[in-house]
Amino acid sequence: DGGITQSPKYLFRKEGQNVTLSCEQNLNHDAMYWYRQDPGQGLRLIYYSQIVNDFQKGDIAEGYSVSREKKESFPLTVTSAQKNPTAFYLCASRGKGTGANVLTFGAGSRLTVL
Amino acid sequence: AQSVTQPDIHITVSEGASLELRCNYSYGATPYLFWYVQSPGQGLQLLLKYFSGDTLVQGIKGFEAEFKRSQSSFNLRKPSVHWSDAAEYFCAVGAGDTGRRALTFGSGTRLQVQP
Repeated sequence: DGGITQSPKYLFRKEGQNVTLSCEQNLNHDAMYWYRQDPGQGLRLIYYSQIVNDFQKGDIAEGYSVSREKKESFPLTVTSAQKNPTAFYLCASRGKGTGANVLTFGAGSRLTVL
Repeated sequence: AQSVTQPDIHITVSEGASLELRCNYSYGATPYLFWYVQSPGQGLQLLLKYFSGDTLVQGIKGFEAEFKRSQSSFNLRKPSVHWSDAAEYFCAVGAGDTGRRALTFGSGTRLQVQP
């Protein structure tokens, strides 16, 4: 079945370390998104990419970086510059046609800074 | 800029009772509206969506929502809640035009179901 795979499910990081969260989709979707979720704040957009080799900052991009070298993959790096990285991170993709405005989500990755 | 307000942070209902979760949005044009559900530690699953046409939309798991333009609302309803409906519910609005076409989410409503 087609879907979005995020890994790892849980990740622990020491302060000062960079970590990379993986997001892979086999839905043949062009657009991909990264959201951050904190309790009581809903989801906030970090970065998005509408096509391979192109990506744009979202609302809270500081301290994060991404790449989009392949259509299927959109990894997110949480850098040491991110002041409060402990959160739940969700990757999503968007298709075309009748599903053009619907986001499909992965199961998420929980990052904890020790 | 678009925004979504879910005024109820936490709601508790008895199993078998009816449910209504409130959602108000702010957007300059006709919005694309969504309800997603999230179980603890999981991703978001689409319950239903409104793009145009009939303002009462049906979704999965027996949920429905009604778009009311005059009230800028898109409330989610279910006639009889089941224990398995306990989860967090997010309302979202999307832009229909070109651009990033990301969704803007409300802060969520956590539903607890009492036996």
